[in-house]
Amino acid sequence: QKEVEQNSGPLSVPEGAIASLNCTYSDRGSQSFFWYRQYSGKSPELIMFIYSNGDKEDGRFTAQLNKASQYVSLLIRDSQPSDSATYLCAVKGGSYIPTFGRGTSLIVHP
Amino acid sequence: ETGVTQTPRHLVMGMTNKKSLKCEQHLGHNAMYWYKQSAKKPLELMFVYNFKEQTENNSVPSRFSPECPNSSHLFLHLHTLQPEDSALYLCASSQDRITLYEQYFGPGTRLTVT
Repeated sequence: QKEVEQNSGPLSVPEGAIASLNCTYSDRGSQSFFWYRQYSGKSPELIMFIYSNGDKEDGRFTAQLNKASQYVSLLIRDSQPSDSATYLCAVKGGSYIPTFGRGTSLIVHP
Repeated sequence: ETGVTQTPRHLVMGMTNKKSLKCEQHLGHNAMYWYKQSAKKPLELMFVYNFKEQTENNSVPSRFSPECPNSSHLFLHLHTLQPEDSALYLCASSQDRITLYEQYFGPGTRLTVT
């Protein structure tokens, strides 16, 4: 059974710090990896996706993928209180069905 | 607003009721999805429609019946549900079933089964 594991948190970081969110997955055939942000009471919003090993940067967000270690992470630089949300990791293999993790709750305190 | 709307936003139904959830997207997308989000469980894909054809059924019980009359509309018909079916039901769309990275979610329907 394909599994995606995330620490549920909460991860608490001070404003301006780097928040590091981690995700591991079990299916070595996984091909694409996604990070969603979900504010309380709202629907998920895709913020990053990555297909290749290495880093992908978009503004304050950096996704890091290491397929050998079956590990994907999301770094948020200069964290803001508005970044406080649950971050969902999703992994997709050859099928069109993504597998989601349970999410990590991030709290950025002033 | 993401361009994906869902109605109703909240629904309370008994186990013997029949109800339907509606989703509409105004993005010109060809793929639509139903997801289930339960408390303390991962987001779970239920159904995928691509160009009005159902392409994925993720082992969903038959008490959930999807319908996609056209690429802009998606329904989820509910009957004889169980209390454990209480959850947030999310609709999403993307250009096609491959471009998951351009997937947009609707606001969801909060369903409570009594």
